[in-house]
Amino acid sequence: GAGVSQSPSNKVTEKGKDVELRCDPISGHTALYWYRQSLGQGLEFLIYFQGNSAPDKSGLPSDRFSAERTGGSVSTLTIQRTQQEDSAVYLCASSLATGPYGYTFGSGTRLTVV
Amino acid sequence: AQSVTQLGSHVSVSEGALVLLRCNYSSSVPPYLFWYVQYPNQGLQLLLKYTTGATLVKGINGFEAEFKKSETSFHLTKPSAHMSDAAEYFCAVIINAGNNRKLIWGLGTSLAVNP
Repeated sequence: GAGVSQSPSNKVTEKGKDVELRCDPISGHTALYWYRQSLGQGLEFLIYFQGNSAPDKSGLPSDRFSAERTGGSVSTLTIQRTQQEDSAVYLCASSLATGPYGYTFGSGTRLTVV
Repeated sequence: AQSVTQLGSHVSVSEGALVLLRCNYSSSVPPYLFWYVQYPNQGLQLLLKYTTGATLVKGINGFEAEFKKSETSFHLTKPSAHMSDAAEYFCAVIINAGNNRKLIWGLGTSLAVNP
């Protein structure tokens, strides 16, 4: 597609439920990133996928968080047993594999855990 | 450790005044530098970037930034602020330019423009 697409744009869930957030990157972008942005905070790196390499999961805050990327394209971020502190905007970005390129961001998914 | 520091989490200017948002980084090798803008309830949008060549780079919406190696800075400026410039601005850097991995981000500066 022309840009990075994220769905849903908003998600309200009950504490303890699992949620799945989807990211569809720009076609041809082999690098994909997930970030979390809490209210009034900066960007918190979660996970990074690059081609067929093992993902960099160093930013995942707990084992309740996981992500996968199927076929080197669409990615799903899953949060199990959601907690109120998981409430944030989850941003996905993609980029070309190498070179001094910045990221193209999606509009994010606003997750609210009640 | 590599880091990006944005001085001032909140900056307020009058409409028509100069905008100056500060960014300093730590790196022992030449970095690639970026400024992103985030308007309310939107994702991040690339404003401008420095890779190589001319150290003064121009971006969208009248913004520009100058890479100063001696000061390890990449401050963002705009000669005359407009109400529509009110947003969150993030400075970021790629240190290992041969491997486009994680950008290192500043914490952001919230710009308010007063009428």
